[in-house]
Amino acid sequence: DTGVSQDPRHKITKRGQNVTFRCDPISEHNRLYWYRQTLGQGPEFLTYFQNEAQLEKSRLLSDRFSAERPKGSFSTLEIQRTEQGDSAMYLCANFPRNTIYFGEGSWLTVV
Amino acid sequence: EDQVTQSPEALRLQEGESSSLNCSYTVSGLRGLFWYRQDPGKGPEFLFTLYSAGEEKEKERLKATLTKKESFLHITAPKPEDSATYLCAVQGTGNTGKLIFGQGTTLQVKP
Repeated sequence: DTGVSQDPRHKITKRGQNVTFRCDPISEHNRLYWYRQTLGQGPEFLTYFQNEAQLEKSRLLSDRFSAERPKGSFSTLEIQRTEQGDSAMYLCANFPRNTIYFGEGSWLTVV
Repeated sequence: EDQVTQSPEALRLQEGESSSLNCSYTVSGLRGLFWYRQDPGKGPEFLFTLYSAGEEKEKERLKATLTKKESFLHITAPKPEDSATYLCAVQGTGNTGKLIFGQGTTLQVKP
């Protein structure tokens, strides 16, 4: 009952295009998190939801990024006007039993 | 500001050669210290949570310990399948559940 499913697993896009990632929790939990990870670094917090409410956003989340969690179940992370610096793995996680469990991540390559 | 530093950045061991990974942290009130294992191209996999100084947790060849300033992940008689990046993260006070990660230690175990 832990973890999340993420889609797509890999995305290659041209600079300036918009991309959207989806996260589906395996089971329902109130909290859902988005992190970003670049090569050789640990994951960095982006934002989190308590049910459908987005309660905290990192300063890493520029105005080109938007996250939603309609109905408090699945979540989407959209990046508009992608830049090469957006190339990273985007991780979604849920929070059963006070522990954060990650999905397999969505790799984004901006060319 | 909460901060986590892991050392060494990379570690090469022979199969059976025991060693330890270090995680130093500064946090305004520790709610939990987490260890994750990450294989290339995959999301972090939860290993342990430690909540207070003096606490220890074990799983197969791995043992995690915690003091007021650092945590160690001891690897006893490692096998090649233990090769991975090991990530340490802290959860501070506040009710968000947000984790602050170190940059990770990449372990390679040679047969």
